[in-house]
Parts: sequence; structure tokens; C-alpha cells
Amino acid sequence: AQSVTQLDSQVPVFEEAPVELRCNYSSSVSVYLFWYVQYPNQGLQLLLKYLSGSTLVKGINGFEAEFNKSQTSFHLRKPSVHISDTAEYFCAVSNTGGFKTIFGAGTRLFVKA
Amino acid sequence: EAQVTQNPRYLITVTGKKLTVTCSQNMNHEYMSWYRQDPGLGLRQIYYSMNVEVTDKGDVPEGYKVSRKEKRNFPLILESPSPNQTSLYFCASSLSPGARDTQYFGPGTRLTVL
Repeated sequence: AQSVTQLDSQVPVFEEAPVELRCNYSSSVSVYLFWYVQYPNQGLQLLLKYLSGSTLVKGINGFEAEFNKSQTSFHLRKPSVHISDTAEYFCAVSNTGGFKTIFGAGTRLFVKA
Repeated sequence: EAQVTQNPRYLITVTGKKLTVTCSQNMNHEYMSWYRQDPGLGLRQIYYSMNVEVTDKGDVPEGYKVSRKEKRNFPLILESPSPNQTSLYFCASSLSPGARDTQYFGPGTRLTVL
């Protein structure tokens, strides 16, 4: 069975500082990996996804993530955050041959002025 | 505008009173899905549908029903709601049933069962 663990439930950070949101997964088969963002009172939207190829994936709003197969991780990074990045971030995993997506519990990012 | 819509956005009801939450997408997507979001648990899949008349259980299907009679609509039915179904519900759709496709989410329905 697959699972996703987001290692931090909340991450406070000052504006213009770098941030890393950590995600680990477990799966016995090949996977696709996703990061979604949820702004207050809104649905989720895709930030980026890893399907195959280069392990460094660039997404919207300056975010990027690196797929590390040996460590089964897919950490999300941004070199300089803005107040507007305050949101909840979800890591998700799908089997390459399946139809279901498993989401992590989420990480709340608070960006302080 | 391409979107997933849900109605109602907010609902307060009482135990045992049947309700339906509607979901509609205008992107001609094959795959649709329902999730519930609870604090500390993230999103958990309730049911999904790979196409018209094809539905399957997700991880937490107990107490819910769905139907997919038309490609664009995927209603979620609670025949006899209970307080443990108080949650934030999201409908999502993607172009194909494959796991690689991006899911597009509706704005959510906040349900309170008293």
C-alpha cells in the first residue's frame, strides 16, 4: 500500500527567506508525485508534478521539487517566499498503473513580514 | 471558463436527513472523484469514476453513494448523514483516468451534520 508523510504540519518563515517543505512516500511500484497548494477558502491547484525524466521539477510561482528515489522523497523548495505564499501545501502520490491518488496530511506555510 | 463547480458551498443539516452535493465540470473530463478533507488527515478519497456508469470505492466510502449518469456530473449522496461526516468535501476531475493527469478541484462544500 502507498502512503505519504509530510514531515512538518506547520512551517513559519519570514518573507524573502528560503523554505523547504518535506515529503516522503512509500510504494512498492513506480510512482507519479505531485504538489498541490490550497489558498484560504479555495480548492486545491497543482503546483508541480513529477512523471519521469529529470528529477528536478519546476512549477508555478517559483517553486521547485526534487525527486529522490533512493530516499523516497519529493521535497518542495522556494528560494525566497512572499506573503502571498501563505497557504496549505499537499504532497500526493499515484501508482503509475493505477487510478487513485493518495494525499499527505498537509503542511501549513506561514510567511511573516 | 474551465471549472469544476459544487453546490451547495455550505450546508448545515441534521442526522438522518438525506442530502446530495452536486458536482459538475465543463472540461469534458473522463475522471471524476470525491474527497473529504479533515484537519490532520489531509484529503481522503471517497469514490471515483473513470467514465459514465463506471464508479469505484476510494479509501473512505462508508456512508456515501455516487452516480455518474452523465459525463459532466458526479453527485455525492449521503442517504443518512451522521455527525462523523461533518467535513469539507471536494470534487475533482481530470482529463483521463490515468494517475499521471492533473486533477482540477472544485471550491469545496463545507458540511455540518448536527
